[in-house]
Amino acid sequence: DTEVTQTPKHLVMGMTNKKSLKCEQHMGHRAMYWYKQKAKKPPELMFVYSYEKLSINESVPSRFSPECPNSSLLNLHLHALQPEDSALYLCASSQDGTPNQPQHFGDGTRLSIL
Amino acid sequence: GESVGLHLPTLSVQEGDNSIINCAYSNSASDYFIWYKQESGKGPQFIIDIRSNMDKRQGQRVTVLLNKTVKHLSLQIAATQPGDSAVYFCAERYGNQFYFGTGTSLTVIP
Repeated sequence: DTEVTQTPKHLVMGMTNKKSLKCEQHMGHRAMYWYKQKAKKPPELMFVYSYEKLSINESVPSRFSPECPNSSLLNLHLHALQPEDSALYLCASSQDGTPNQPQHFGDGTRLSIL
Repeated sequence: GESVGLHLPTLSVQEGDNSIINCAYSNSASDYFIWYKQESGKGPQFIIDIRSNMDKRQGQRVTVLLNKTVKHLSLQIAATQPGDSAVYFCAERYGNQFYFGTGTSLTVIP
């Protein structure tokens, strides 16, 4: 079991739907991350939150909207996604926003866009 | 992003043998490296890390070697077990983020 919990584990949605992915950690970490991973590819960084502030946005389309309500929670709001957005979405956390420590990953949400 | 590549996309080893997974990185300013293991249906799991002021670090059954001269990183797994079957990623820190390599799929043959 991982210390980073992601829900749901699987999500199927149409291109006009709005849904949210959720991530929670209780390790006291102050940095949280969203990654996108396509099959047989490495994770690609999307967003970084450090001390609940967005510090990195890797030119992600606006149909992905991150939110960090508090230091333990991270959401990714989805709207009007495209079929190519189907992927595994991974959340991770680390002690702080400077990458001096390993990131702890959740097991991801597998997203399918119809 | 920066390029972090692996020499071999797949590797098959007999149970009990030692495994070596290689990784080339492109940026000589990268100063911190991590190996992750990703099993099917799971997220990446931290295995071992090494900073650029070291050239070798050992953990339980794993050793990471760093050769800064040729920008090469390797992960050695001793007495490979079926539970070691997974995809292994190296990641390098450059600037304020990590960049992942392409991954090597390790299959352990019983």
